[in-house]
Amino acid sequence: DAKTTQPTSMDCAEGRAANLPCNHSTISGNEYVYWYRQIHSQGPQYIIHGLKNNETNEMASLIITEDRKSSTLILPHATLRDTAVYYCIVRRYSGGGADGLTFGKGTHLIIQP
Amino acid sequence: KAGVTQTPRYLIKTRGQQVTLSCSPISGHRSVSWYQQTPGQGLQFLFEYFSETQRNKGNFPGRFSGRQFSNSRSEMNVSTLELGDSALYLCASSLARQTNTGELFFGEGSRLTVL
Repeated sequence: DAKTTQPTSMDCAEGRAANLPCNHSTISGNEYVYWYRQIHSQGPQYIIHGLKNNETNEMASLIITEDRKSSTLILPHATLRDTAVYYCIVRRYSGGGADGLTFGKGTHLIIQP
Repeated sequence: KAGVTQTPRYLIKTRGQQVTLSCSPISGHRSVSWYQQTPGQGLQFLFEYFSETQRNKGNFPGRFSGRQFSNSRSEMNVSTLELGDSALYLCASSLARQTNTGELFFGEGSRLTVL
């Protein structure tokens, strides 16, 4: 799986949009971008994933650049409960199988009141 | 719909002992994978099971093993425990069908302390 680079930590004011960047310059054509987050002392939680197109769900939006070498996770209205470590993972997914996820250090997002 | 259930949540063992951890996946999920999380190494993939067969394996010694039962429940075992095995062990389940896009659902983990 391709390696990703994320900032170690970020702050965001409550109620504002949190934009978390991720670089994955060596991504292959068949690799997806996944985002998970881990709130302290809990298991990681799936947020969103995408291949080429931008994606949105009830939790977040994922913006992938046209060359697919970077992406941004957007939490539109951050709350204190969004304070967590956010992991950007690039992974080849073949239907019917779950390859092991390669977690990096992630970004520690701190939402300030 | 119940989530991924891991037992026990906390346990303490001594060096040299062995431990078995259990994971019940979300109903209907056929793939179960295991991860180890430590402060120094972060989250690391141990192995993945599908239809009672190990399909993928991370870079861990043979002391770490697992199995999956016909009802998709899974267990992992660590033998001859070492101090460095102290960690949070996380289980994740997935639908693992062609139409599924591979998101994993994690349990709360089993926190193992080796003394």
